[in-house]
Amino acid sequence: NAGVTQTPKFQVLKTGQSMTLQCAQDMNHEYMSWYRQDPGMGLRLIHYSVGAGITDQGEVPNGYNVSRSTTEDFPLRLLSAAPSQTSVYFCASSYGGSREQYFGPGTRLTVT
Amino acid sequence: GENVEQHPSTLSVQEGDSAVIKCTYSDSASNYFPWYKQELGKRPQLIIDIRSNVGEKKDQRIAVTLNKTAKHFSLHITETQPEDSAVYFCAASIDRDDKIIFGKGTRLHILP
Repeated sequence: NAGVTQTPKFQVLKTGQSMTLQCAQDMNHEYMSWYRQDPGMGLRLIHYSVGAGITDQGEVPNGYNVSRSTTEDFPLRLLSAAPSQTSVYFCASSYGGSREQYFGPGTRLTVT
Repeated sequence: GENVEQHPSTLSVQEGDSAVIKCTYSDSASNYFPWYKQELGKRPQLIIDIRSNVGEKKDQRIAVTLNKTAKHFSLHITETQPEDSAVYFCAASIDRDDKIIFGKGTRLHILP
């Protein structure tokens, strides 16, 4: 199993550009989530999904969209990038019974 | 919504001594409390978790205690070793809600 994969690893965007961060898991996990990590701010939940076709907002959802058309994939879309979205983004998945979250390797995003 | 406070933000202990990290949560309905360790440049990984029907849980040098009345839980690391140097995150979750909210993290330094 590849576990949780994220692409790209690094990305530089200009203010106003849009892009999609990809996340995929091959463990048939129901639950997937996106976090952003900023120095001194911990891991803040952006959006999460408890299954295909179901998404919900986390702590900091503004400026981000998600969809969950399949169990395996959970892409995060930045609609119009802003410097405040410069961060490391982690995708995670878990199986409902266990609750242990398996994190992907992260995407480091810089918005100039 | 749930809010998780974590203290201290930085902790330095002598190798061989014990380290304690404390967290409080706001929602009395929370019933799952995991701890994650993140080494420099790597993804967070679960090290131990506790559910609300248990007051204490141990795994070798690591233990977690939970006080539901006071809404706080703690991570205890005994006989600290250099490889314990990392950032530690506590988190809380309500099963029916499924989202997991993290604290801001504690950077633990083990001094030689």
